[in-house]
Amino acid sequence: SQQGEEDPQALSIQEGENATMNCSYKTSINNLQWYRQNSGRGLVHLILIRSNEREKHSGRLRVTLDTSKKSSSLLITASRAADTASYFCATDLTGGGNKLTFGTGTQLKVEL
Amino acid sequence: NAGVTQTPKFRVLKTGQSMTLLCAQDMNHEYMYWYRQDPGMGLRLIHYSVGEGTTAKGEVPDGYNVSRLKKQNFLLGLESAAPSQTSVYFCASRAFHRGLNTEAFFGQGTRLTVV
Repeated sequence: SQQGEEDPQALSIQEGENATMNCSYKTSINNLQWYRQNSGRGLVHLILIRSNEREKHSGRLRVTLDTSKKSSSLLITASRAADTASYFCATDLTGGGNKLTFGTGTQLKVEL
Repeated sequence: NAGVTQTPKFRVLKTGQSMTLLCAQDMNHEYMYWYRQDPGMGLRLIHYSVGEGTTAKGEVPDGYNVSRLKKQNFLLGLESAAPSQTSVYFCASRAFHRGLNTEAFFGQGTRLTVV
């Protein structure tokens, strides 16, 4: 089974609203990363948060990490139609030999 | 600076045929990865490499082989293609900087159909 599981699997919101998606993982990590994938394209890195960090911001993105609950959340504020994409979390496991394993993703649709 | 380049972009194979997917990166990254993406499954790690001449198995290695003879190239081989290997394949690379892992850069993918 995969290390990361995103929730919800699909999310539909109106432009201007905030979008929150969550990632849960199973074992200890060095860092957690969020990526975005537009339909049929390669993944693009959004933000990386290390295990000793609790919150990180980048533009309209806010990521939190709770290592005690083995979970992370990605918040996109004031969403735009251009934010429509799939979002994936990825984890670098502690002692994981530099593998980077991905979750199943959240499909976000932002409607006008 | 092209980043990560995958060739080919599309391919149709007959069951039992073999092929090699090429991934090339020009960022001098130490680590390289091959993933497959299937509907509803996210990305699953096939094989990866932490340096020239090294390879390691990921989550779904069966039916695939890899080689990293040069630091900039990571090859994924299918010796005898099966319909179950129909998928979109992504290559990624990343650096190891100041003792810490960094973000990954992805190619645009190879869409493979095995009939």
